[in-house]
Amino acid sequence: GENVEQHPSTLSVQEGDSAVIKCTYSDSASNYFPWYKQELGKRPQLIIDIRSNVGEKKDQRIAVTLNKTAKHFSLHITETQPEDSAVYFCAAGNSGYALNFGKGTSLLVTP
Amino acid sequence: NAGVTQTPKFRVLKTGQSMTLLCAQDMNHEYMYWYRQDPGMGLRLIHYSVGEGTTAKGEVPDGYNVSRLKKQNFLLGLESAAPSQTSVYFCASSRLEGTYNEQFFGPGTRLTVL
Repeated sequence: GENVEQHPSTLSVQEGDSAVIKCTYSDSASNYFPWYKQELGKRPQLIIDIRSNVGEKKDQRIAVTLNKTAKHFSLHITETQPEDSAVYFCAAGNSGYALNFGKGTSLLVTP
Repeated sequence: NAGVTQTPKFRVLKTGQSMTLLCAQDMNHEYMYWYRQDPGMGLRLIHYSVGEGTTAKGEVPDGYNVSRLKKQNFLLGLESAAPSQTSVYFCASSRLEGTYNEQFFGPGTRLTVL
């Protein structure tokens, strides 16, 4: 089955700096790569996703890049703010519904 | 719209007891999922359903059963709870349209098995 590895497990940046979280996947048939943000005690919420026919997608301060050949994708957050502090999960899927999640990255943005 | 709701929010069980977690969604989604979240382990799929009356096993199905008798509800049952099932359980749903669609999560149920 699909195996999704996520790094780093924890990340601390200063406010205004950029943060990058990387994920790799094993199944070359995977074609959908969402990123979820989970604040402490809250439910995961989708922040951005990318499909295999696209190499990059941006939404304001958030961007995701996908390298299908290398089977890895990354989340980039620019001009980080304290409210970006949360756990971020990457995921990969190939069947239209079920997803395999990475183990998460705890991001701390310090003022 | 309430979105995805879960009951109960918290529960403490003794080893061997049984319980059912209820998930309900009002978005008319075809797909529904049950995940468990443990520290450092991410979200692991327990069971899922692609439509009313259908269920399938996910990554960690042992010790759990599910039922989807109505499109809007997805039940997760623990027949004989074990301490290893102490976790936060999340339900999610997504629609059937094209290929992939966003999974919407419920608020979670924190279960402790003593």
